[in-house]
Amino acid sequence: GQQVMQIPQYQHVQEGEDFTTYCNSSTTLSNIQWYKQRPGGHPVFLIQLVKSGEVKKQKRLTFQFGEAKKNSSLHITATQTTDVGTYFCAGDADSNYQLIWGAGTKLIIKP
Amino acid sequence: EAQVTQNPRYLITVTGKKLTVTCSQNMNHEYMSWYRQDPGLGLRQIYYSMNVEVTDKGDVPEGYKVSRKEKRNFPLILESPSPNQTSLYFCASSFNSNQPQHFGDGTRLSIL
Repeated sequence: GQQVMQIPQYQHVQEGEDFTTYCNSSTTLSNIQWYKQRPGGHPVFLIQLVKSGEVKKQKRLTFQFGEAKKNSSLHITATQTTDVGTYFCAGDADSNYQLIWGAGTKLIIKP
Repeated sequence: EAQVTQNPRYLITVTGKKLTVTCSQNMNHEYMSWYRQDPGLGLRQIYYSMNVEVTDKGDVPEGYKVSRKEKRNFPLILESPSPNQTSLYFCASSFNSNQPQHFGDGTRLSIL
């Protein structure tokens, strides 16, 4: 079936280092969404990408959607303790109009 | 305030005792969905509803039921809970199935 693979599962970084998570889909997506879940919280929508090759920025966060609309990435520059949490991608494949979720990448800031 | 409200937030119960987790949204969203979240497995969809009286199975529907009699409410029913249904459950809603979803605060169920 349709899948969205998200890597890595965990990433440990020192505060101030960069962080990147990647999502790859087995099918072309009409859009991809990114969510953040703080520890003990619920997923919160961050951004939606729709166009091939689209790049969007939110302060230190940069989101990209691949040219083939099968992959996406989230890059955080100079991580801060407030960035801790799990980041999920979710893509919409036209065939069934349901979001397909990646398994998430947990960002851990090393003390 | 726009929100998705789930109740209860926490529940410890025993095998076989029917339970219902309620979900209500005040954003007039057409689409609602239930997910379970287990360590290392991300969010797995249980059931979803495209509109009132329209529900469909997600990826892991076994052991669950839902209903959508009104637009704002989408309860999740466990007729005979079992320990493998111990999990963190989220309800979500959106204008349609591929639009950004708003999540409730979650319900942590423990089935002994």
